[in-house]
Amino acid sequence: AQSVAQPEDQVNVAEGNPLTVKCTYSVSGNPYLFWYVQYPNRGLQFLLKYITGDNLVKGSYGFEAEFNKSQTSFHLKKPSALVSDSALYFCAVRDIISSNTGKLIFGQGTTLQVKP
Amino acid sequence: EAGVTQFPSHSVIEKGQTVTLRCDPISGHDNLYWYRRVMGKEIKFLLHFVKESKQDESGMPNNRFLAERTGGTYSTLKVQPAELEDSGVYFCASSLRDSRFNEQFFGPGTRLTVL
Repeated sequence: AQSVAQPEDQVNVAEGNPLTVKCTYSVSGNPYLFWYVQYPNRGLQFLLKYITGDNLVKGSYGFEAEFNKSQTSFHLKKPSALVSDSALYFCAVRDIISSNTGKLIFGQGTTLQVKP
Repeated sequence: EAGVTQFPSHSVIEKGQTVTLRCDPISGHDNLYWYRRVMGKEIKFLLHFVKESKQDESGMPNNRFLAERTGGTYSTLKVQPAELEDSGVYFCASSLRDSRFNEQFFGPGTRLTVL
């Protein structure tokens, strides 16, 4: 079965420091990976995706993610955290076994808290 | 361009009652998805429409849940009768094409509380 794991419920980081939000996945075949962010009282916003190509993917708001096939990971990173980055982050993988549906399989979410 | 909208934003009902959630996708998006997040757990897929047809409803928990998308525009998700375990946040998403490569655009969600 395809699955996504976000091992940390919460990540705390000081403003200006680099941040990493971890994600590992288990899929059959090639993974299509996504990161979404949810700010308070808002819907999920797309941050970035990996389909193929360069392992380092750049996305919105200065975020990037590194695809590592051998470790089956897709960690979200940012070189310098902002207080406004504080939000709930979801990693997701597209189910490509049922290739006629675009359903996403999500991790349980990681709360990022950036302190001034 | 307007995003995905959902109504209501919150709903509080008693066990046994009926609730209908509505989703308006981005105009022109043929693909519409429903997801649910229960009690701080992962977001789980419920079903997928392509226009007015149900493409995949493998995530629907039971026959108390009924989704429709008449005319291929907005969609409704009815829960009848509601149970305590149905509480959670229901998200709707849409995409222009059902490609493996395209991101989905999500609405703000409807928070359902069943007492």
